[in-house]
Amino acid sequence: DTEVTQTPKHLVMGMTNKKSLKCEQHMGHRAMYWYKQKAKKPPELMFVYSYEKLSINESVPSRFSPECPNSSLLNLHLHALQPEDSALYLCASSQGPQGAGYGYTFGSGTRLTVV
Amino acid sequence: AQSVSQHNHHVILSEAASLELGCNYSYGGTVNLFWYVQYPGQHLQLLLKYFSGDPLVKGIKGFEAEFIKSKFSFNLRKPSVQWSDTAEYFCAGMILMEYGNKLVFGAGTILRVKS
Repeated sequence: DTEVTQTPKHLVMGMTNKKSLKCEQHMGHRAMYWYKQKAKKPPELMFVYSYEKLSINESVPSRFSPECPNSSLLNLHLHALQPEDSALYLCASSQGPQGAGYGYTFGSGTRLTVV
Repeated sequence: AQSVSQHNHHVILSEAASLELGCNYSYGGTVNLFWYVQYPGQHLQLLLKYFSGDPLVKGIKGFEAEFIKSKFSFNLRKPSVQWSDTAEYFCAGMILMEYGNKLVFGAGTILRVKS
């Protein structure tokens, strides 16, 4: 299995809703990432998990809450989002936190619309 | 500043034309550079990567890139493009940090190949 699987593929939520995005990989990778990609923009890093511990938070608002239950799973819990949070949310993984030269494997993303 | 910049935002070519997309990086330390491609509606795919050794890197689908340290550049090339190469191309650099790494993307170049 050489994929990163993200669910759901599409999500529409109201500003008062609570929802979660899920990401799964079975490649034995020990680093996992959340990126946000707005239309016509490059992906921007949100969070990095290394060995199931949060290692980097790029000053993301607290309405986004990441969770790494085990080495294969990564969740992003969403609460009280704003319409400007509508974007493609990408999950990625790499072999290790100091993954020099390895690159990341990206999932297909969750297209989130906040109404 | 640690950043990656791409010169062209939109490129239009005819089939069989040669392609060169520019990428410059500006940060010190260990250099790990990547090119990713995002086909319409699909996830980011790794085209090629450079982290050491031969500065001419060959990737998938006939793409190659040359790392020129003196010019801080990592340009992507293909001798003869096909209609199927229509996509958005992102140059990225990996910044190695104490507690992990982060992949920083350039703004992207949208390539349209006319058949």
